[in-house]
Amino acid sequence: GESVGLHLPTLSVQEGDNSIINCAYSNSASDYFIWYKQESGKGPQFIIDIRSNMDKRQGQRVTVLLNKTVKHLSLQIAATQPGDSAVYFCAETLLYNFNKFYFGSGTKLNVKP
Amino acid sequence: DAGVTQSPTHLIKTRGQQVTLRCSPKSGHDTVSWYQQALGQGPQFIFQYYEEEERQRGNFPDRFSGHQFPNYSSELNVNALLLGDSALYLCASSFRGNEQFFGPGTRLTVL
Repeated sequence: GESVGLHLPTLSVQEGDNSIINCAYSNSASDYFIWYKQESGKGPQFIIDIRSNMDKRQGQRVTVLLNKTVKHLSLQIAATQPGDSAVYFCAETLLYNFNKFYFGSGTKLNVKP
Repeated sequence: DAGVTQSPTHLIKTRGQQVTLRCSPKSGHDTVSWYQQALGQGPQFIFQYYEEEERQRGNFPDRFSGHQFPNYSSELNVNALLLGDSALYLCASSFRGNEQFFGPGTRLTVL
């Protein structure tokens, strides 16, 4: 089956710096990707998504980049804040599968004040 | 709008018992997916319900079953509990399988 993994299990950044969280996926047929943020004791929260016909999408302080050639996703967070501290997951799916998502194991982001 | 709600919040069971977890989707949503999240891991897809039918299923044994009701709420049942079933069980709802919204989860501990 599909597998989604992350390069770095833990990332520590200084408040105000930019953060980059990476993710590799294995199914070249996946055509829809989502980044989720999960705070302690809560369910995953949608951050941003991207379809395979795009290579970049921007939201508020966040940008997702998709490189289909090497099957790589990244999440960039600008001006990281203490409230951004959480575990971040990327998830992939095939849209015709009506969002049967495959999640990676997550990257913990620690923001130091 | 209360968003996705799940009950109970926490649950403790012993091996061999059966458990039922409940989920109410976000208003306007018709699709419910269930995930198992072990400690320190990403969520693993169990199954998805749409129009009261199981539409998709992940690699979970038949001990895991579910149901969706006409009001779109859903239940996850797990029979013959094993220690390894201890996890956070997440419910996610969506409209026709689009953007998913997750509930806070039910923490199941099997002793």
